[in-house]
Amino acid sequence: EAGVAQSPRYKIIEKRQSVAFWCNPISGHATLYWYQQILGQGPKLLIQFQNNGVVDDSQLPKDRFSAERLKGVDSTLKIQPAKLEDSAVYLCASEDRGLSEQYFGPGTRLTVT
Amino acid sequence: DQQVKQNSPSLSVQEGRISILNCDYTNSMFDYFLWYKKYPAEGPTFLISISSIKDKNEDGRFTVFLNKSAKHLSLHIVPSQPGDSAVYFCAATINTDKLIFGTGTRLQVFP
Repeated sequence: EAGVAQSPRYKIIEKRQSVAFWCNPISGHATLYWYQQILGQGPKLLIQFQNNGVVDDSQLPKDRFSAERLKGVDSTLKIQPAKLEDSAVYLCASEDRGLSEQYFGPGTRLTVT
Repeated sequence: DQQVKQNSPSLSVQEGRISILNCDYTNSMFDYFLWYKKYPAEGPTFLISISSIKDKNEDGRFTVFLNKSAKHLSLHIVPSQPGDSAVYFCAATINTDKLIFGTGTRLQVFP
């Protein structure tokens, strides 16, 4: 069984630029999550999708962050414009229905200079 | 407002000995707890979990203990191996909803 795929693995941009991350979850997993992990902290949920609908985006900074999962499969997370404090690892995870065990991708390390 | 806390940022243990990682939580509504292990440049991987109706769950060398009255859980690794060196995250959830993670404990197992 293929795991959660993410790209790119690393990205360096200047502040005020835009960036997009891509995630392909495990086949058949209805729930998809995006997390932000700042150095020295645990992952923090940004947004949760159930199929192609948003379940929870209460911690997503909507003035600059957006995410979509149009066909209920893969997803993109965008930051526009980026700030220095957005430097972090962005993790995507997927979950089979209601089992709580989330499977994480390798993450995208974003550096904003 | 840190609902899940791991107060020890790091732990160093000799190979073959027991590793005990601790986690405290503040929300009494949490009903399911998980431990994840993370190697550098990889995403967290699920290790072991426990429901709030239990006080112990065991899987090979890994055992998780839950003390609901103290709002405390711990992960025991016996015997510890060098390959166990990683960052361990405690996480909690309500009704299998979103996970709330702790800040992690870096475990180093030395020969």
